[in-house]
Amino acid sequence: EAGVTQFPSHSVIEKGQTVTLRCDPISGHDNLYWYRRVMGKEIKFLLHFVKESKQDESGMPNNRFLAERTGGTYSTLKVQPAELEDSGVYFCASSQDPREKTSYNEQFFGPGTRLTVL
Amino acid sequence: AQSVSQHNHHVILSEAASLELGCNYSYGGTVNLFWYVQYPGQHLQLLLKYFSGDPLVKGIKGFEAEFIKSKFSFNLRKPSVQWSDTAEYFCAVSWDYGGATNKLIFGTGTLLAVQP
Repeated sequence: EAGVTQFPSHSVIEKGQTVTLRCDPISGHDNLYWYRRVMGKEIKFLLHFVKESKQDESGMPNNRFLAERTGGTYSTLKVQPAELEDSGVYFCASSQDPREKTSYNEQFFGPGTRLTVL
Repeated sequence: AQSVSQHNHHVILSEAASLELGCNYSYGGTVNLFWYVQYPGQHLQLLLKYFSGDPLVKGIKGFEAEFIKSKFSFNLRKPSVQWSDTAEYFCAVSWDYGGATNKLIFGTGTLLAVQP
C-alpha cells in the first residue's frame, strides 16, 4: 500500500513568489492534516480536512496560506506571496476516522516538503 | 495554551546504554499520547501510542513509555540502545474534547546519537 506522498520534496523560491505544495494521502483516508516545522522549533499543526471540508484551520499563520482539498482526495497548500519566515519543512499526514473511539487512528506522515524562501 | 515539552534536545549515548527521554504536557483532560521517530532520510513514523488502559505502553524496536497522569508525563525508555536507534524522537499529544479533530501538539524533538 502506498504511503502519504508529497510533492515537491524541495522548493527554493524568492521572497514574494508563489509556491504550491501537494499532498496525496493514503487511499481511503478521509482525514488529512498539514503541519510545519520551522528550523529548530517544534512541528506545528496548520489545518485539518475531513474529506473536502476544513475541520480546523486554527493553525494557519495568516491569509497568505491557502489550503484546498477539492474532491476529498489530494490537497494543496499555496503560499502567496512567500516570506522569509515561511521557510521550513511542511508535513502532510492522513488518518482514517478519528471519531472511532474503540481505537485511535494513527496519523501517517509523508516525507515532507522542504521550503526555502530567499 | 496546550504545549508539550521535551527536556533533552541532544542526547549522545554509547551502544548498550539505557535511554530515557522526558516528555511533559501542559495540562490534563483526556489525552492521547504518542512518540514518533524520524530516522535519517526517512518519514516520521509512530513508535508507540497511549490511548487508554495500561499506562505502560510497549512499542516497536524494544521501546516503551509510561504515562503518569499525576505528573502529566509520558517518558520514553529503552533498556539498551543500538547504533540503529540514532534518530530524532518526537513526543506528541492530542487532547480529546469529543470532537472530530485530533490534531497533534508536538514537542521540539530530541536528537539521539548512538555511538558504536
